[in-house]
Amino acid sequence: DTAVSQTPKYLVTQMGNDKSIKCEQNLGHDTMYWYKQDSKKFLKIMFSYNNKELIINETVPNRFSPKSPDKAHLNLHINSLELGDSAVYFCASSQDVGTGKNIQYFGAGTRLSVL
Amino acid sequence: QKEVEQDPGPLSVPEGAIVSLNCTYSNSAFQYFMWYRQYSRKGPELLMYTYSSGNKEDGRFTAQVDKSSKYISLFIRDSQPSDSATYLCAIRGSAGNKLTFGGGTRVLVKP
Repeated sequence: DTAVSQTPKYLVTQMGNDKSIKCEQNLGHDTMYWYKQDSKKFLKIMFSYNNKELIINETVPNRFSPKSPDKAHLNLHINSLELGDSAVYFCASSQDVGTGKNIQYFGAGTRLSVL
Repeated sequence: QKEVEQDPGPLSVPEGAIVSLNCTYSNSAFQYFMWYRQYSRKGPELLMYTYSSGNKEDGRFTAQVDKSSKYISLFIRDSQPSDSATYLCAIRGSAGNKLTFGGGTRVLVKP
């Protein structure tokens, strides 16, 4: 059973389109994340939700909107896609919030190509 | 200056050699230090987790933290071709869950 699963794995779309990426975790974790990894492998946090509440919101264009219907799911909707949005988007989850051990488990990624 | 700096490599070594990877960081508030391994077209997976300065060993892997120098290292002994991957350091402060990653070092172990 895949612990953190993302769909789709690949997404090819035209500039200006709107698309969504879905993430689900079956680890029973309280916290979920979205990261963006650019072509140079630099992995950067975008958002984090804890029990459906937004707790990390980095400087990201407001074309990106996360949504957490429940603590096992965190989706990412992107409006008006731009060329610079092309990247691999990773979902992750972890159990602990705040201090203490916080191990994040990552999904396999969604490779987004904007043409 | 990035908060976490990591040499991108690639680092090419023969099978059986010791692989030495490192990261430097700028914020002394960072308290938790991790190494993730990422195979091509896969998500990062946690390899090592350390909190305090000093060494931590797990099989062929040793993580080292020097908080006074703001320097962390990962050593891989008896490297195998299956160790070929990108290794990312990740660092976290004492509160909150935000991980700050280095840019990753690509390692190639040649048989």
